[in-house]
Amino acid sequence: GEKVEQHESTLSVREGDSAVINCTYTDTASSYFPWYKQEAGKSLHFVIDIRSNVDRKQSQRLIVLLDKKAKRFSLHITATQPEDSAIYFCAASMFGGGYKVVFGSGTRLLVSP
Amino acid sequence: NAGVIQTPRHKVTGKGQEATLWCEPISGHSAVFWYRQTIVQGLEFLTYFRNQAPIDDSGMPKERFSAQMPNQSHSTLKIQSTQPQDSAVYLCASSHHWGANYAEQFFGPGTRLTVL
Repeated sequence: GEKVEQHESTLSVREGDSAVINCTYTDTASSYFPWYKQEAGKSLHFVIDIRSNVDRKQSQRLIVLLDKKAKRFSLHITATQPEDSAIYFCAASMFGGGYKVVFGSGTRLLVSP
Repeated sequence: NAGVIQTPRHKVTGKGQEATLWCEPISGHSAVFWYRQTIVQGLEFLTYFRNQAPIDDSGMPKERFSAQMPNQSHSTLKIQSTQPQDSAVYLCASSHHWGANYAEQFFGPGTRLTVL
C-alpha cells in the first residue's frame, strides 16, 4: 500500500523567512496530495492540495510543488508568521478526498519572532 | 455549518469495557472517515464509508473494532474489551463531491479515549 514519508520532523524559522516541508510517496497511482495543519490542542485543518495534472499550485503564501517522476511533493510557506506555527501533515490519495488518504508523520513548524 | 461533530469529546474506560464513539458528518457529505492519532503511531487510517456503504476497513484491528453508518447523518466506532493501547484521539472526517472529484476532508475535534 501507499506510504508517505515526511522528511522534516521539526523545522524552525525566523518570522518573515520561508519554510519548506518535503514529502515523498511510493504509489505511482496516487494523484491527490493534500496538506493539513494542526495547531496545538486542535484537530486537523485543510490548508491546500494539489492534483497530479499540475505541478504547482499557490494559495496566498502557500505554494505546493509536485514532482511526479521523483514521487516528491513539498509545501512552501513564504513570509512566515508566528501563527503559522503548527504541525503540518502531508498526505496522498489515489483519487481525492473521498477516498482513503495516507498521511505522513507530521512536521512541527516553529516560527519565532 | 457546525462542522463535523464528535461525541463524547473525552471518554475514560476501564480495561475490558466497551467504548462507543459517535460522529455526525457535515450535512450533504457522502464520505465519512475514521482515523486514530497517537504520539507514537501518528495518524492511522481506520475505515471509511461512502454513501453509507463500508468501502475500506483495512486499518481496523479486526477483533475488537467495528464501525457502522446506519444513516447519512451519523457513524459510530465501537471498541469492545478496550485495552490501554487503544488510548488515542479518534478523529472523524467527512468529504463531499465537487464535480467529478471529492473535495478535501473536514475533520471533527476528535474523541480522546483513555483506557485505564
